[in-house]
Amino acid sequence: VQLRESGPGLVKPSQTLSLICTVSGDSINSGDHYWNWIRQHPGKGPEWIGNVYYSGSTNYDPALKSRITISVDTSKNQFSLNLSSVTAADTAVYYCARNWNIRPFDFWGQGTLVTVSS
Amino acid sequence: SYVLTQPPSLSVAPGQTATITCGGNKIGSKSVHWYQQRPGQAPVLVVSDGGDRPSGIPERLSGSNSGNTATLTISRVEAGDEADYFCQVWDASSDPPYVFGPGTTVTVL
Repeated sequence: VQLRESGPGLVKPSQTLSLICTVSGDSINSGDHYWNWIRQHPGKGPEWIGNVYYSGSTNYDPALKSRITISVDTSKNQFSLNLSSVTAADTAVYYCARNWNIRPFDFWGQGTLVTVSS
Repeated sequence: SYVLTQPPSLSVAPGQTATITCGGNKIGSKSVHWYQQRPGQAPVLVVSDGGDRPSGIPERLSGSNSGNTATLTISRVEAGDEADYFCQVWDASSDPPYVFGPGTTVTVL
């Protein structure tokens, strides 16, 4: 199983951060897992942002809920993250990862650094 | 939201035992997982709740959980164990339900 994040590494303040996670070696459509976005600020622990199920149902961190949209494209075996109205505080490494319910995040992407700066 | 605490750093000599703690209210009743992260790399699951280890993770790494403290133990520490270690829990009563600890940096002397 491999996950790979893609998207711009630089986003201007107030704009929308958009990332895609492409999954290989597993089918999102199988319904066996949740597909998650996690971010990590420099020198800090990871932070769970939200997840999506193959059906399109989502769960979000309440602190970010007003700015987040996570969606899934099962035909491409991809899921995506949109984070609106970004500020410098959203600068972080963003990871996509797989898990199921209470189970651990067993596969992660390599991560992509997104910097918010004008 | 649920809060986890970890010591920021730990130094250990090769061949000795490293004990990394993760504190949380009644954490002993929750599922706790441990991840290793080397510089510039993504976290890697090393021990899941119940002490399970993914394929390729040595038996030297083990986990325990009771009361208000979960523990990751690394026996016979090697230079390759130098990394950051994070605990993570799933708490149904917390929002968000997935919480990570701040991490412990293990330095091998």
